[in-house]
Amino acid sequence: DVKVTQSSRYLVKRTGEKVFLECVQDMDHENMFWYRQDPGLGLRLIYFSYDVKMKEKGDIPEGYSVSREKKERFSLILESASTNQTSMYLCASRRGRDYGYTFGSGTRLTVV
Amino acid sequence: KQEVTQIPAALSVPEGENLVLNCSFTDSAIYNLQWFRQDPGKGLTSLLLIQSSQREQTSGRLNASLDKSSGRSTLYIAASQPGDSATYLCAVGAGSARQLTFGSGTQLTVLP
Repeated sequence: DVKVTQSSRYLVKRTGEKVFLECVQDMDHENMFWYRQDPGLGLRLIYFSYDVKMKEKGDIPEGYSVSREKKERFSLILESASTNQTSMYLCASRRGRDYGYTFGSGTRLTVV
Repeated sequence: KQEVTQIPAALSVPEGENLVLNCSFTDSAIYNLQWFRQDPGKGLTSLLLIQSSQREQTSGRLNASLDKSSGRSTLYIAASQPGDSATYLCAVGAGSARQLTFGSGTQLTVLP
C-alpha cells in the first residue's frame, strides 16, 4: 500500500515563527498536495505539485509556500505563523491525474 | 465553480441496517469521484474511486454509484457496524488537473 507520512501529528508554534510541515510518500507518485481542514469550511487546497521542483497555487496560498526538491517529499512552509493558521493540515499524493488520492494522517498545528 | 453537497450532515442508525449516503455536484463535467472515510482527528482513508465512464464500484460491504448526468453519487453501506462510525466525504475530480472538490461530509454513527 502507498504510504503518505506526515512528520508530526501535533505541533505547537509561536506567532511569528517559521514553520515547516513535512510530507513523504513512498510509491513514486507524481502529484502531491497540501490541504487544510477547518470546521465549517471543509478541506481547502493550499498548494500542489505535479512533479519535482514544480508548484502551483491552490485556493488559499496566502501566508504559505512549498518546496519539492525530491519527488517523494513535499514541504509546506508557514513563513511567519499566525493564529489564523491554527488548523489540521493534510498532505496527499497520487500517481497521476486519473488516479485516486492517498492522504497522510494529518498534522494538527496550533499557533499561540 | 463546482459545488459538492452531502445530505444529511449527520445520520444515526442501529447496527445491522443498510444505509445510503448521498452526494450531489453542480457541474457534471467531472472525470472521477472518490469517497473517503475520516475518523475523528485523523487523515482521510480512500474507500472507492469511480471514473466518469463507470457506473459503480464495490469493495466489501460498500457500493458506490455514479450518475454523472444528474450530478449524483451514492455510497451504500450494507449491514452497518459500530466500526463504520466516521465522517464520510465525497470529492469530485474535474478540470485538466482532475483536482478534487470536497463535500462537507456526512457524520455517521452506528449504534450497537
